[in-house]
Amino acid sequence: QQQVKQSPQSLIVQKGGIPIINCAYENTAFDYFPWYQQFPGKGPALLIAIRPDVSEKKEGRFTISFNKSAKQFSLHIMDSQPGDSATYFCAASPTLIGGGADGLTFGKGTHLIIQP
Amino acid sequence: NAGVTQTPKFRVLKTGQSMTLLCAQDMNHEYMYWYRQDPGMGLRLIHYSVGEGTTAKGEVPDGYNVSRLKKQNFLLGLESAAPSQTSVYFCASRFGTVRYGYTFGSGTRLTVV
Repeated sequence: QQQVKQSPQSLIVQKGGIPIINCAYENTAFDYFPWYQQFPGKGPALLIAIRPDVSEKKEGRFTISFNKSAKQFSLHIMDSQPGDSATYFCAASPTLIGGGADGLTFGKGTHLIIQP
Repeated sequence: NAGVTQTPKFRVLKTGQSMTLLCAQDMNHEYMYWYRQDPGMGLRLIHYSVGEGTTAKGEVPDGYNVSRLKKQNFLLGLESAAPSQTSVYFCASRFGTVRYGYTFGSGTRLTVV
């Protein structure tokens, strides 16, 4: 049962373009939504994260947009560079109120290629 | 400051063999996790621990056991390896009070033949 759906599976964008990766979740108990970046042979690294009481968050060239009513969130990469080529994962964390299970639930990932 | 260290980095097992993957963190993190990553599947949680001496099941726990005897170490065991357990395994850790501060290791690539 996939609780976080991510699209597209792969994406090719020209340098300077704005790749957009979308995620949707079903579990209303999720209350924290991070994005991870993974390079080949490496572990995932936290890129940026957002809470559902915020509609947008920017960190450098990376922006998360969040739509709580639609249970969707997306990652935008401004002025994309070849060095941004990586696999990107969205994730969701459950609220810990009530003693529920811990751990991040990940989307299936987006393989992003930025062409020079 | 090494962060999260996983050993070994690569391993090939025969079906039915057993092995233990070691995760060590030097950040004094309370929470530790084991994930597996398969092509097109993202990362799926196997087991996790919220403190020394505690463990809990994640999404895909079958065929694995874990132990957290020391705060800094989290061991993942395969008692009888199966080809379906061919995967890349990642360990992660975080402070209990910082829910977004997961630090991942560089992974163990396991092949079961």
